[in-house]
Amino acid sequence: QKEVEQDPGPLSVPEGAIVSLNCTYSNSAFQYFMWYRQYSRKGPELLMYTYSSGNKEDGRFTAQVDKSSKYISLFIRDSQPSDSATYLCAIASWTGGGNKLTFGTGTQLKVEL
Amino acid sequence: NAGVTQTPKFQVLKTGQSMTLQCAQDMNHNSMYWYRQDPGMGLRLIYYSASEGTTDKGEVPNGYNVSRLNKREFSLRLESAAPSQTSVYFCASSVGQSSGNTIYFGEGSWLTVV
Repeated sequence: QKEVEQDPGPLSVPEGAIVSLNCTYSNSAFQYFMWYRQYSRKGPELLMYTYSSGNKEDGRFTAQVDKSSKYISLFIRDSQPSDSATYLCAIASWTGGGNKLTFGTGTQLKVEL
Repeated sequence: NAGVTQTPKFQVLKTGQSMTLQCAQDMNHNSMYWYRQDPGMGLRLIYYSASEGTTDKGEVPNGYNVSRLNKREFSLRLESAAPSQTSVYFCASSVGQSSGNTIYFGEGSWLTVV
């Protein structure tokens, strides 16, 4: 079983839709939760970062963490064609010897006109 | 502000050839990383350097070597390339290895081994 599981998609939605992207994880030691966006043939770029259960908003994006269920989500409101990308969840644990970052495999999102 | 710069962007190698992927960052970051990204596998850490002068193995180090040349530069070497090393390689950096430090990625290097 992978430490971080993410539905690979692809997920296709119409412009303006609300998008929900999800990851589950198995290691309760994970403490920090991130979402990266990766456009085709580009490197991942950080979208959201949080370390506590609950919601964190940034514009059209909301990151949600439920540590009791080991479940994290990214919601995109009023989705735009420019949101079409692969979204990677990344979860970190502090091991004492360094920051161990584990990535999900990514969900491919296409927002259509 | 270039951030993390990788070269080359594309490379085709024959099995058994060697090559070095170069990486430089201009953000004065202490920690640098090399990841590979494969379909269905996600990003996997090959090697990292917590600070200048140190390097450590990540999840998939076999077949690779690294050099932290100075604070800015961190190279990845394939001594004898194998088809299993066909992948997209990303260099990344962060301020440090402390918990929660944001990792910034380069644009990627597409490597094909035939």
